[in-house]
Order: sequence, then C-alpha cells, then structure tokens
Amino acid sequence: EPEVTQTPSHQVTQMGQEVILRCVPISNHLYFYWYRQILGQKVEFLVSFYNNEISEKSEIFDDQFSVERPDGSNFTLKIRSTKLEDSAMYFCASRGGGRYEQYFGPGTRLTVT
Amino acid sequence: GNSVTQMEGPVTLSEEAFLTINCTYTATGYPSLFWYVQYPGEGLQLLLKATKADDKGSNKGFEATYRKETTSFHLEKGSVQVSDSAVYFCCAGGTSYGKLTFGQGTILTVHP
Repeated sequence: EPEVTQTPSHQVTQMGQEVILRCVPISNHLYFYWYRQILGQKVEFLVSFYNNEISEKSEIFDDQFSVERPDGSNFTLKIRSTKLEDSAMYFCASRGGGRYEQYFGPGTRLTVT
Repeated sequence: GNSVTQMEGPVTLSEEAFLTINCTYTATGYPSLFWYVQYPGEGLQLLLKATKADDKGSNKGFEATYRKETTSFHLEKGSVQVSDSAVYFCCAGGTSYGKLTFGQGTILTVHP
C-alpha cells in the first residue's frame, strides 16, 4: 500500500540554523500539507500546497518558513533560522484529487537547542 | 475557522469494555469529519471518516456518526482490545484545499 515517507526521523539543530525537512507524498496525490505538534499540544496546520503553489497557510507559517516541491516527488519544508519554539514533531500529509482524507507520514521530530 | 473539542483524557479501560470518546465541532458550513489514530511510536493513521450529515464511518470495529443537530462525531467501539491502546484525534476538514483542524487528542489505554 502506498505511503507517505519523511526524512529524517529525528533532527537536532542549533538555534539560528536552517533545517530542511523532507517528505515523499503518495505518488498520484495532488494536495500536500505540513502540520506540527509541539509536545503536549494539538496538531496544528501550517501550510497546504496545490498546483505548485501555496494554497493556504496559517499564522504560524511566517517568513521563516518555506515549502517547495523541487522535482515532482519530494515536498520539503524549510525553516530558515530555527528558534527554540520550533521544536516539535512535523508531519507531512497528502491527499488525492476528489478525495477528502489525508494520509500522513510518520513525522520528523525537530529538536532546537 | 473550525474548532474541534474532544473529551478530556486519558481514558483507561479493561479489555472488552465499551468505548466512547466524545467529539464536538464548530464550523461554518458542513465540514468533513475524521478520526485519526496514533499508535505508540508511529504516525497518524486514518481510522474512519464521514463527509455529510448522518453518514456513519466505520473501521476495525470503531464507528462514528456525523450528527449535524448536535455538531458531534463521537467515536465508539463495543469491545476494546489491548491493541487499541493509542491516541485518538477527532478532526474537521475545512476549506476547499482540505486543511484539517484537530482536537487535542485522547489517550486510550486498555488493560488485559
């Protein structure tokens, strides 16, 4: 069964460094998402991406964040200058056209020290 | 925007007990509703969905009915197993691009 994959599973970085989180969505899906979950809090929507552009973003998704689908298979989330409060589990998800449900990857745990 | 409220956890049950996890939502319009489950050390898996009022989603013995009049989507299972121990998330789908709004999650622990 096709699945969403994410790499790395755990990333540790120093405050102020740039990180790139990588996702490979399900191959025929059209809509792509990033969510995050700070420890002990709700899963929060960050951004959705469709037709090679951002379709919706939350207040969290400020100028420090960017997304890209560089090669038709990968979907990346970049944080330009990490802060301590960016420490969280980041989930990628994808959805097929005409479908309602999203399929999630296993997550990347980002720790900013 | 949408909001989702789940019953406070954690929930601890004995095997074969009946499970209910309450979920209510507020939304403009009629969102699609979902339950996702996160087993220990794993990602979020779709458990079931309902896309319109009075739809019943079901999977692996779990059921939830989309109740427009009470804006609810409560999760039920008649007889839980130890393997059902996980975190359960109620979600509402919003805009045409499908952004999900999550409830806070309910930790379920089932003892033998």
